[in-house]
Amino acid sequence: DQQVKQNSPSLSVQEGRISILNCDYTNSMFDYFLWYKKYPAEGPTFLISISSIKDKNEDGRFTVFLNKSAKHLSLHIVPSQPGDSAVYFCAASARTSSGSARQLTFGSGTQLTVLP
Amino acid sequence: KAGVTQTPRYLIKTRGQQVTLSCSPISGHRSVSWYQQTPGQGLQFLFEYFSETQRNKGNFPGRFSGRQFSNSRSEMNVSTLELGDSALYLCASSHGLAGDTQYFGPGTRLTVL
Repeated sequence: DQQVKQNSPSLSVQEGRISILNCDYTNSMFDYFLWYKKYPAEGPTFLISISSIKDKNEDGRFTVFLNKSAKHLSLHIVPSQPGDSAVYFCAASARTSSGSARQLTFGSGTQLTVLP
Repeated sequence: KAGVTQTPRYLIKTRGQQVTLSCSPISGHRSVSWYQQTPGQGLQFLFEYFSETQRNKGNFPGRFSGRQFSNSRSEMNVSTLELGDSALYLCASSHGLAGDTQYFGPGTRLTVL
């Protein structure tokens, strides 16, 4: 059972336009959400995160929106650049029963292609 | 500040052998988590170590084990390798606190023949 879902395996956007990547989750215990960007044969690079007490977090061209009632988050990239082309993973975490440990549960990723 | 480093970057083994992968976290980070990435299963959590203790474990068989040293460096061991263990193994480090961000290393690409 996938607790974090990215239903679009790929997305193509024109340079300069907005890219919107979506992610849905089912576990209501998740309270911290992150987006990572990944190139082939490299580790994921952290982009932006959001705590469940917020509904929006912005960092430069990247904005993450969280809709807790819909269990949905999205990443907006404005304006999109060719260098943004990569696989984007959303990830979620919750406290374990011990209270302190955390593990990331990842979505399956969305390949973003920004066309020049 | 140096990032997370993993050695070796590439490894080829045969079925039945064992392998040890190494991860050096960002200086000051006490938590190291390990993940397996495969085309079929995506990124899956293996285990987390904090202050030399395994604090959290994913759903992997006992052939997958790890440890953490006093300097926070961590090793992951896979015994009796199977073809399905071929994957990119990633480690991530953090301070290990609530709401903390995990930073990933470049990964070790393991191929089992």
